[in-house]
Amino acid sequence: GAVVSQHPSWVICKSGTSVKIECRSLDFQATTMFWYRQFPKQSLMLMATSNEGSKATYEQGVEKDKFLINHASLTLSTLTVTSAHPEDSSFYICSAGTGVNTEAFFGQGTRLTVV
Amino acid sequence: DQQVKQNSPSLSVQEGRISILNCDYTNSMFDYFLWYKKYPAEGPTFLISISSIKDKNEDGRFTVFLNKSAKHLSLHIVPSQPGDSAVYFCAAVHGSSNTGKLIFGQGTTLQVKP
Repeated sequence: GAVVSQHPSWVICKSGTSVKIECRSLDFQATTMFWYRQFPKQSLMLMATSNEGSKATYEQGVEKDKFLINHASLTLSTLTVTSAHPEDSSFYICSAGTGVNTEAFFGQGTRLTVV
Repeated sequence: DQQVKQNSPSLSVQEGRISILNCDYTNSMFDYFLWYKKYPAEGPTFLISISSIKDKNEDGRFTVFLNKSAKHLSLHIVPSQPGDSAVYFCAAVHGSSNTGKLIFGQGTTLQVKP
């Protein structure tokens, strides 16, 4: 299957700082990528749809100014958590579709801990 | 509004027996369904999918059944193996959605006992 790489796999940051998470499609081009968030023992919640060359589409309740998404190329999308607070601590996962079928391929996820 | 529901948070089965994981959905516009397996601190791994035009899809030990009238799907794993122990998520795709935009259920933790 297609490979999606996410970096870093875990990060600890101080409250008030910003953290950038990268999501790369390694062997295919992804015009659209998706960012999810998972709290412990809960479902993966879609945060936003990242569109190459245009603004991201955010789901209801997700603060676009706090979770900045940039999709600068067909293989890279970034999620920046700005002014992070402890309640932002979570597991963030990106995914991308190949456009061939509806299957989505996921990155390894990033465990963010804000202290 | 939980459009995809997995009402059993956990399931425990004996090695070699069948595991049946269930999933219900409410949106009749969903036309493609997927099952993912997930280990802690890792991204989900695709297992098997089914289109709404089918009622069954089989891949090795994994079979997914879809009952459109009941808005219900299930994943059968037979025979179950200890390595199958993980969290299983069902997901659905809206027909008009971008490829890869998935709506997930809450997940079911499967434990297969040796």
